Amino acid sequence: GQQLNQSPQSMFIQEGEDVSMNCTSSSIFNTWLWYKQDPGEGPVLLIALYKAGELTSNGRLTAQFGITRKDSFLNISASIPSDVGIYFCAGNYGGSQGNLIFGKGTKLSVKP
Amino acid sequence: DAGVTQSPTHLIKTRGQHVTLRCSPISGHKSVSWYQQVLGQGPQFIFQYYEKEERGRGNFPDRFSARQFPNYSSELNVNALLLGDSALYLCASSPGVGRSSGNTIYFGEGSWLTVV
Repeated sequence: GQQLNQSPQSMFIQEGEDVSMNCTSSSIFNTWLWYKQDPGEGPVLLIALYKAGELTSNGRLTAQFGITRKDSFLNISASIPSDVGIYFCAGNYGGSQGNLIFGKGTKLSVKP
Repeated sequence: DAGVTQSPTHLIKTRGQHVTLRCSPISGHKSVSWYQQVLGQGPQFIFQYYEKEERGRGNFPDRFSARQFPNYSSELNVNALLLGDSALYLCASSPGVGRSSGNTIYFGEGSWLTVV
């Protein structure tokens, strides 16, 4: 089946640092979405991308839909403690629009 | 406006039992999808319903079934529960099923199912 490779699996952040994570797929995707999930809660949509090459910002977050349509990245600038959590990329390659393929997540933790 | 609401939030069942999970979509949304999220993994697609019809099905056994009601709410049913069915079950809604910025998918907070 379709696979999404999300990296890094985990990272530590220090307040004020910029953070970058990315996802690659084995197939061409039509949609890329980025979600954040806090413990015990459902995923919250951060950014949605619908066109190849699209670059979209949401506050300190910026995401891009790769030109090849097989990858996407999410950048967080000037991180703050509440950025801690698990970030998931998700994509749709066709078929039912509600059928999202999710990556395994990137866990952001505060640097000790 | 209320988001996607799910019930119950937590439940414990015994192996072999049956469970029904419920979901109310965001007002005006006609599509509901169900996902299973095992601890440490990303959500996995189970079903999508739109206008009471099944529009997509993931790789789950026939023990899993769902339906959508005229008011667009939905139920997920799982029969003959196994220990491996323990997971967070997420419901997501969207206005429709087309691929556009108007059909963004929003998730509820989930129902935690523990099978013992």
